[in-house]
Amino acid sequence: GENVEQHPSTLSVQEGDSAVIKCTYSDSASNYFPWYKQELGKGPQLIIDIRSNVGEKKDQRIAVTLNKTAKHFSLHITETQPEDSAVYFCAAKGRTGGFKTIFGAGTRLFVKA
Amino acid sequence: DSGVTQTPKHLITATGQRVTLRCSPRSGDLSVYWYQQSLDQGLQFLIQYYNGEERAKGNILERFSAQQFPDLHSELNLSSLELGDSALYFCASSVVGGFDQTQYFGPGTRLLVL
Repeated sequence: GENVEQHPSTLSVQEGDSAVIKCTYSDSASNYFPWYKQELGKGPQLIIDIRSNVGEKKDQRIAVTLNKTAKHFSLHITETQPEDSAVYFCAAKGRTGGFKTIFGAGTRLFVKA
Repeated sequence: DSGVTQTPKHLITATGQRVTLRCSPRSGDLSVYWYQQSLDQGLQFLIQYYNGEERAKGNILERFSAQQFPDLHSELNLSSLELGDSALYFCASSVVGGFDQTQYFGPGTRLLVL
């Protein structure tokens, strides 16, 4: 079945450094890739998404890149701040398989002040 | 605040019991999704409804069922509860039910089965 692998599971960076989280997906029909941030005690919140007809998308300090050939997409956070500390989930979704969203296992990001 | 509300926030019950979780989507959203989040399984998609009709099904157990009512709120029913059903249950909503629709998540219901 469909699968999304996410790495690393834990990431610790110094404030101001960049953080990169990588995901790979198995279903080549996937064509929508959202990223969610989940803070303690809250539900996941969409921070950025990318569709398969786009290779890169940027929103302030956050960017996502997509390589459809390699079935790989990444989240880049620049100039990290302590408030970026949270769990980040990647996900993949497509028409095949009935619109199911498959999530990665999550990356716990620690930003040290 | 995403605009999605879930009740109750916490639920403690015993094995073998049945519970109902409730979700109200954002105003104007027609589609509702249910997810289970546990430490060992991560975020698992359970089921999606669009305007009252089931749209997609994930890893939902036969002991679980859901429905979306005419006012678009949704309920997730969990029966014959087992210890392993202890988890966070999230509801999300989107405007329509297409594959690239942004999903807005509620705060979740934390279920503890003793």
